Amino acid sequence: GAGVSQSPSNKVTEKGKDVELRCDPISGHTALYWYRQSLGQGLEFLIYFQGNSAPDKSGLPSDRFSAERTGGSVSTLTIQRTQQEDSAVYLCASSLAAALHEQYFGPGTRLTVT
Amino acid sequence: DAKTTQPTSMDCAEGRAANLPCNHSTISGNEYVYWYRQIHSQGPQYIIHGLKNNETNEMASLIITEDRKSSTLILPHATLRDTAVYYCIVRARSNDYKLSFGAGTTVTVRA
Repeated sequence: GAGVSQSPSNKVTEKGKDVELRCDPISGHTALYWYRQSLGQGLEFLIYFQGNSAPDKSGLPSDRFSAERTGGSVSTLTIQRTQQEDSAVYLCASSLAAALHEQYFGPGTRLTVT
Repeated sequence: DAKTTQPTSMDCAEGRAANLPCNHSTISGNEYVYWYRQIHSQGPQYIIHGLKNNETNEMASLIITEDRKSSTLILPHATLRDTAVYYCIVRARSNDYKLSFGAGTTVTVRA
């Protein structure tokens, strides 16, 4: 079946602009996660959704970052007034439920802020 | 993940079995062993997990020692596309859903 998809695959933006990153999880997966991975670094948790609710936003680095999920499916991560330190690969994952660690990842969006 | 220890790197020959060790001597009774891998420029990929019994799926086999202090991921017939960083983590099946990886093992499959 279809896996997790993300768009765009690459995004280059100028400092100060807003960007939106999209994630389509696996159908039927109620849990959705956003992570980011900087060059050569490990995974950094950003936010977790259960259905349309985000019980854990603790990883969002600043109030410039926000995310929403609609219809228990598609999620959008928005970064306002982008900064160069926001450059990273943004990864989305989904799982059947939060307690299951079989998280299935999308290919990621590589964000470059110039 | 600080709870696991893996070799930094290993090479294996294409078509041969690749055996990737992982030590997790402080594993708790309710913690599972999970394996993920990350191929260059791709997102992490779930491979397999187990609690105490050996497990096999279409990608790999997981052998867990009786005392559960170590495990081995086996890729039965390694291909060049299996070249990746492999991560072994231990997690309880709870609401601790934030995945984090240690340095992992960089596996290079050579023709």
